[in-house]
Amino acid sequence: DIVMTQTPLSSPVTLGQPASISCRSSQSLVHSDGNTYLSWLQQRPGQPPRLLLYKISNRFSGVPDRFSGSGAGTDFTLKISRVEAEDVGVYYCMQATHFPRTFGQGTKVEIK
Amino acid sequence: EVQLVESGGGLVQPGGSLRLSCAASGFTFSSYWMHWVRQAPGKGLVWVSHINGDGSNTNYADSVKGRFTISRDNAKNTLYLQMNSLRADDTAVYYCARDFHGSYDYWGQGTLVSVSS
Repeated sequence: DIVMTQTPLSSPVTLGQPASISCRSSQSLVHSDGNTYLSWLQQRPGQPPRLLLYKISNRFSGVPDRFSGSGAGTDFTLKISRVEAEDVGVYYCMQATHFPRTFGQGTKVEIK
Repeated sequence: EVQLVESGGGLVQPGGSLRLSCAASGFTFSSYWMHWVRQAPGKGLVWVSHINGDGSNTNYADSVKGRFTISRDNAKNTLYLQMNSLRADDTAVYYCARDFHGSYDYWGQGTLVSVSS
């Protein structure tokens, strides 16, 4: 199975400041169809996960533009330009290029 | 509005069985691949199983293969997960989720399965 490694595992951030989460895969996530199936999900406390970004950088409907994704191959990044209180939670990267789909361990974003 | 509502979780003894259901509404259910994803208490997300729109294609994580069966009833807009030979390490919140470009755009609220004697 593809191993997804996120860093850091915990990210204390000051409100209004940026945050960045890295995700590295054990193999390239470029699919034979040319797409890279790397997505980012947010899980607020006590809630189910919520899709933020798919195929590296496509923002899902209703997701604020302070969330952005970048990367290629095996290295990917989620950036929050200015952290707001509602951004507290755990963030997961996920790959669907290879079977089975696998998730990173999660990065907890909290306010300092 | 897209909604996914899971039910059927509960406390079961090791070796027992449960059937989870996920009632879908607000979209053409038969047009979508559907998945089950689980999350053990305090842990991360793990894909469990998926099924295509007409139910002809299914797959499972190695940890549940041979014990769990995914199915769907498109007439009832409902996804199922039959879980047999349950073990303590199957304890988790089970989510159903709709497939979207290699991710999941809608998730249910989850149903808790606890396996304990």
